[in-house]
Amino acid sequence: DQQVKQNSPSLSVQEGRISILNCDYTNSMFDYFLWYKKYPAEGPTFLISISSIKDKNEDGRFTVFLNKSAKHLSLHIVPSQPGDSAVYFCAARGAGNMLTFGGGTRLMVKP
Amino acid sequence: DTGVSQNPRHKITKRGQNVTFRCDPISEHNRLYWYRQTLGQGPEFLTYFQNEAQLEKSRLLSDRFSAERPKGSFSTLEIQRTEQGDSAMYLCASSLDPLGGYTFGSGTRLTVV
Repeated sequence: DQQVKQNSPSLSVQEGRISILNCDYTNSMFDYFLWYKKYPAEGPTFLISISSIKDKNEDGRFTVFLNKSAKHLSLHIVPSQPGDSAVYFCAARGAGNMLTFGGGTRLMVKP
Repeated sequence: DTGVSQNPRHKITKRGQNVTFRCDPISEHNRLYWYRQTLGQGPEFLTYFQNEAQLEKSRLLSDRFSAERPKGSFSTLEIQRTEQGDSAMYLCASSLDPLGGYTFGSGTRLTVV
C-alpha cells in the first residue's frame, strides 16, 4: 500500500512561471512533511519541510502548503528556473523517525 | 565536513555473491538511515541507527540483509547471496535532528547479473 503518492510522474513548465507539485498521503499519523530534490547520480537533497500543525511554510522561491483535511500537500516554485529541473520527492515522517517517500515527480523547466 | 560519503559508488556482482557497502555519515550526526531506491520509485526505508543501536528494521530487510554501526560512526550494509531483485540504489542518510530532514549520500548503485 502506497501511503504517500505523487500522481504526476512528470511536469513541464516554462521558465518564470509557477511550478506546482502535488502529493497525497493516507496515514493521518504522519506529523511532518518534507520535500526533497534529486539530480541524476546524486542523493536526494532536502528542500523544505512543514509540520502538521501548520498549513504553509515559505523559503524564498519555495512554498509548501498542507491541507490536513484533504491529506494533501503541494510545493510551489515561483518563479521556476531551468536549474530547478530535477526529480522532486515528497516524504512524510511517521513512527520511528522513518520517512515514507512518494514516487517522485520529474520537473522540467524550459528556458 | 564533506557530507555523507558512500562507497563504492557502483557495484556489479554475480547472483549469489555477497556484497558490502559502507556509509560515513556527517561526523556529529547520531542518527543513520539506510534506504533503497529502485527505478521510478521513491526511496524505501530499510533500517535506522541511533548511535550504535539499530532501532528500526523494515520488513523489506530480509534475513539476507544485515547492517551494523559498530562504534556509532560509519555503517555497513551487507547483502548475502544476492538476487537480481536486489539491484537498486542503496542510499544512506544521517541526521542530528529528525525535524531538520536527512542529509543523503550519493548512494551505491548495485547491479546483480
